[in-house]
Amino acid sequence: AQSVSQHNHHVILSEAASLELGCNYSYGGTVNLFWYVQYPGQHLQLLLKYFSGDPLVKGIKGFEAEFIKSKFSFNLRKPSVQWSDTAEYFCAVRSGGSYIPTFGRGTSLIVHP
Amino acid sequence: NAGVTQTPKFQVLKTGQSMTLQCAQDMNHNSMYWYRQDPGMGLRLIYYSASEGTTDKGEVPNGYNVSRLNKREFSLRLESAAPSQTSVYFCASSGWDPNTGELFFGEGSRLTVL
Repeated sequence: AQSVSQHNHHVILSEAASLELGCNYSYGGTVNLFWYVQYPGQHLQLLLKYFSGDPLVKGIKGFEAEFIKSKFSFNLRKPSVQWSDTAEYFCAVRSGGSYIPTFGRGTSLIVHP
Repeated sequence: NAGVTQTPKFQVLKTGQSMTLQCAQDMNHNSMYWYRQDPGMGLRLIYYSASEGTTDKGEVPNGYNVSRLNKREFSLRLESAAPSQTSVYFCASSGWDPNTGELFFGEGSRLTVL
């Protein structure tokens, strides 16, 4: 069964700092990759996704992620975070022909103004 | 656009009581899901429904039942609530388009079992 690891459980940054959140998955076949964001008190919403093509994917609000197949990774990045990026971030992977994604445990990001 | 609507948003139950969480989507999606979210555990799939008339167990189905009432609605029932079921519950839906595959989530239902 697919497993998804998010190594950073809690990240605290100051505004303008750079962000990189790690995501690794276990299944080595064809994968679809997602990052979701959950702002305080809100529901999860899609930040970006990778299905095929350019492994560098750009999403909303200046976020991007890079799919590195050899490392089974899909790390999320943002060059300069803002206070409004304070949220919980979830990596999700869909694989093996299943349409159901497996979620990581999430990373809580706090950005201090 | 309503998207995915869940009710109730908050509920407090006593151990042994029963309740049903309601979920409806207006995006004509085939697949619907129920997840629970617990601190440090991320999102865990309870049950899902690939299409109207079908339901399947997810990762943590014990203590829950579901009904896919029609294409729009997917309810989650706790027959005899336990404190371990204190959690935030999210309903989600997705379409068949293989080029998208993203899930659309409701706003969540926070359940406390005393």
